[in-house]
Amino acid sequence: GAGVSQSPRYKVTKRGQDVALRCDPISGHVSLYWYRQALGQGPEFLTYFNYEAQQDKSGLPNDRFSAERPEGSISTLTIQRTEQRDSAMYRCASSLGGSMGYTFGSGTRLTVV
Amino acid sequence: AQSVTQLDSQVPVFEEAPVELRCNYSSSVSVYLFWYVQYPNQGLQLLLKYLSGSTLVKGINGFEAEFNKSQTSFHLRKPSVHISDTAEYFCAVSVGTGGGNKLTFGTGTQLKVEL
Repeated sequence: GAGVSQSPRYKVTKRGQDVALRCDPISGHVSLYWYRQALGQGPEFLTYFNYEAQQDKSGLPNDRFSAERPEGSISTLTIQRTEQRDSAMYRCASSLGGSMGYTFGSGTRLTVV
Repeated sequence: AQSVTQLDSQVPVFEEAPVELRCNYSSSVSVYLFWYVQYPNQGLQLLLKYLSGSTLVKGINGFEAEFNKSQTSFHLRKPSVHISDTAEYFCAVSVGTGGGNKLTFGTGTQLKVEL
């Protein structure tokens, strides 16, 4: 597509529920990144993929968080047993690789109540 | 590990005045540096980047930044701001392909342009 698409745009969920956040990168982009941005803070790295391979997941806060990109295109970030502290803006970005800078999506605002 | 410091959380400025948003980084290896802008309810947009070469980098919307290795800084400047420049600006650093281009962001600077 023309840009990085994230869905849903907003998600409100009850504590303890699982959520799945979707990212559709720019067509042909090799690398895909997930970041989390708390209010008043800069984005913090969660994980990234080159094609379908998860290269680095050092930023995932705990084992409730997981991500996949099975066919090297669309990616899903899953949070199990959500907690209130998971509330944040979750941002996806994609790039051609190298050091060209990313294109970010508009993000998914997750609120856990 | 690298880090980014944006000392100014908010910068108010009058329209048509010059502005400088400060960014300092720490890293023990060569870095790539970026500035992103976030308009209200929108995603992050790349303003400019420094990869190598000339230390003065020009970006979109009339912004420029200068890489200063000795001072480990990458300050963003614009000679004359417009109301539409009101947004949050983030400085970010990457430590190259070995790090997978993982970006470390600063906490952001809110630029508020007033009439």
